[in-house]
Amino acid sequence: GAVVSQHPSWVICKSGTSVKIECRSLDFQATTMFWYRQFPKKSLMLMATSNEGSKATYEQGVEKDKFLINHASLTLSTLTVTSAHPEDSSFYICSARGVGTSNQPQHFGDGTRLSIL
Amino acid sequence: DAKTTQPTSMDCAEGRAANLPCNHSTISGNEYVYWYRQIHSQGPQYIIHGLKNNETNEMASLIITEDRKSSTLILPHATLRDTAVYYCIVRVGNTGFQKLVFGTGTRLLVSP
Repeated sequence: GAVVSQHPSWVICKSGTSVKIECRSLDFQATTMFWYRQFPKKSLMLMATSNEGSKATYEQGVEKDKFLINHASLTLSTLTVTSAHPEDSSFYICSARGVGTSNQPQHFGDGTRLSIL
Repeated sequence: DAKTTQPTSMDCAEGRAANLPCNHSTISGNEYVYWYRQIHSQGPQYIIHGLKNNETNEMASLIITEDRKSSTLILPHATLRDTAVYYCIVRVGNTGFQKLVFGTGTRLLVSP
């Protein structure tokens, strides 16, 4: 159980385009979803937290107009990288936490590798 | 900011127990300790979590000291597939707004 699916697993696109990444909780309802990014040989950096039906809360230094997050249902959150540039190339990973007690673990997707040319 | 301290790297022989330490001296009374691992180019995998009692599941055991200032993750019979970066995390934030903030983790290398 507790499977989080992320799509696409990798994407290559031209500079200036927008890219949407989907994150789905397959077998549980996720009231809270999280988006991380990771650079090579570095740890995960939390970008934002989203609760279903609410606006996302962004970490300091993360541009909310650049990284649009939508969490419209209890099983789906999307991250859109707008007007992407080469410096946005990274490994993006989503995570979800189910309904219930606050000590429930977060479960992670397998990530999306984004390359901007 | 991460509230835990882990060694940068560790080695373990295949078949032996891997004991990964973690210091969390500023942990609060109601904060849980979580362990995840990340195998290269994949998302983090949940391993185990605990509050103050020792915990065991099919993957690992978690030993938490009585004062809760440190813990040890034990992989009883390490295999080559256990080579990964292991993260010990104390979840930050108030109830309902908690989030996992990753530190640098321990890079475990299991060798034949």
